[in-house]
Amino acid sequence: AQRVTQPEKLLSVFKGAPVELKCNYSYSGSPELFWYVQYSRQRLQLLLRHISRESIKGFTADLNKGETSFHLKKPFAQEEDSAMYYCALSGRSRSGGSNYKLTFGKGTLLTVNP
Amino acid sequence: DTAVSQTPKYLVTQMGNDKSIKCEQNLGHDTMYWYKQDSKKFLKIMFSYNNKELIINETVPNRFSPKSPDKAHLNLHINSLELGDSAVYFCASSPRLGYEQYFGPGTRLTVT
Repeated sequence: AQRVTQPEKLLSVFKGAPVELKCNYSYSGSPELFWYVQYSRQRLQLLLRHISRESIKGFTADLNKGETSFHLKKPFAQEEDSAMYYCALSGRSRSGGSNYKLTFGKGTLLTVNP
Repeated sequence: DTAVSQTPKYLVTQMGNDKSIKCEQNLGHDTMYWYKQDSKKFLKIMFSYNNKELIINETVPNRFSPKSPDKAHLNLHINSLELGDSAVYFCASSPRLGYEQYFGPGTRLTVT
């Protein structure tokens, strides 16, 4: 079974402060992890994926297999970062074979205050 | 040039009715999905189609029936709507299974 845990439902920081959104996962195979962002009343957008190891909008995330974590970080939060952030894991579905599915965490609502 | 589109954007209907939501992607992707986002913003996969073939059905009531007439379309038909069906339904597509997904704008369904 695959599971994604985002322990913080809400996270509030001030503009310019560092921000870290936590994500832990449970998966027996080799996972592929993503962060998606959903701005108010908009569609989900891919923010970044662990295999690309890139920085998008100042956000980075490192896969730590030992701690089974994929925390999202940004050194200086901006007001426009306020959104819902979802961590997601791509792994095989229960039907097995080559059927992959994306399992989402419950999301963390980030609010960046001025 | 919207990549993944859904219609309608809003749908308000009464219990017991039957309704459909349509999804189209112009990305040339092989795989399409339906997700349900509940009032607590929890996102859960419902179905996944690969090359028009159903490959994932996540214990969704059989009142929900997806249909994929071709690779670019995945429609969702819901029979005998219930109050608990009220949610935002997102369609998504990906180049292949396991790749990053691109989401539609969502359809906000309200059952009264």
